[in-house]
Amino acid sequence: GESVGLHLPTLSVQEGDNSIINCAYSNSASDYFIWYKQESGKGPQFIIDIRSNMDKRQGQRVTVLLNKTVKHLSLQIAATQPGDSAVYFCAENIDSGGSNYKLTFGKGTLLTVNP
Amino acid sequence: DADVTQTPRNRITKTGKRIMLECSQTKGHDRMYWYRQDPGLGLRLIYYSFDVKDINKGEISDGYSVSRQAQAKFSLSLESAIPNQTALYFCATSAQKTDTQYFGPGTRLTVL
Repeated sequence: GESVGLHLPTLSVQEGDNSIINCAYSNSASDYFIWYKQESGKGPQFIIDIRSNMDKRQGQRVTVLLNKTVKHLSLQIAATQPGDSAVYFCAENIDSGGSNYKLTFGKGTLLTVNP
Repeated sequence: DADVTQTPRNRITKTGKRIMLECSQTKGHDRMYWYRQDPGLGLRLIYYSFDVKDINKGEISDGYSVSRQAQAKFSLSLESAIPNQTALYFCATSAQKTDTQYFGPGTRLTVL
């Protein structure tokens, strides 16, 4: 099975609330993680990434937290808006000398923002 | 992302037909990828290419072939389409020695 998974397949929040989407990974050699957003009818869109030498990285309204001890990754969205409604995927990569290509994707979490 | 385009966006075909899906990119990236997406299964890698002379199988390459015609173009072919190849197909690109992949808008393929 896939080493990247998600705790919650669906998440429903009220507009203005903060959202937290979780992801577990099992490969301790993974050193790079990405969050993608996929809106209906569109391809995955890069949101934010983090390397294993960091615990936290912030973007615009989004924060990614990495806990290597328990192999857990989370995406926090502040002040969630209706436009944030989408499927969110985490993906991991394992560095093998800088030539590795492969991203392993989780199955996704559907975020629904209620007005 | 308009930097990565896919044609066609939708296609309905019959079992046994040969189908080609095309991908073009203006990002100047060396690496290109083909994925399929099925409900509940996430994205699975079909083929990938690191440059125009390089083609590699992904985890689900059976029944598919690819051609890297130029740095900017990477096409996916189904030689004899079957119904279980009905899926969303995505092309992606990445720059050399970076991990972030950028995706096209996808092609919805239905095989009857």
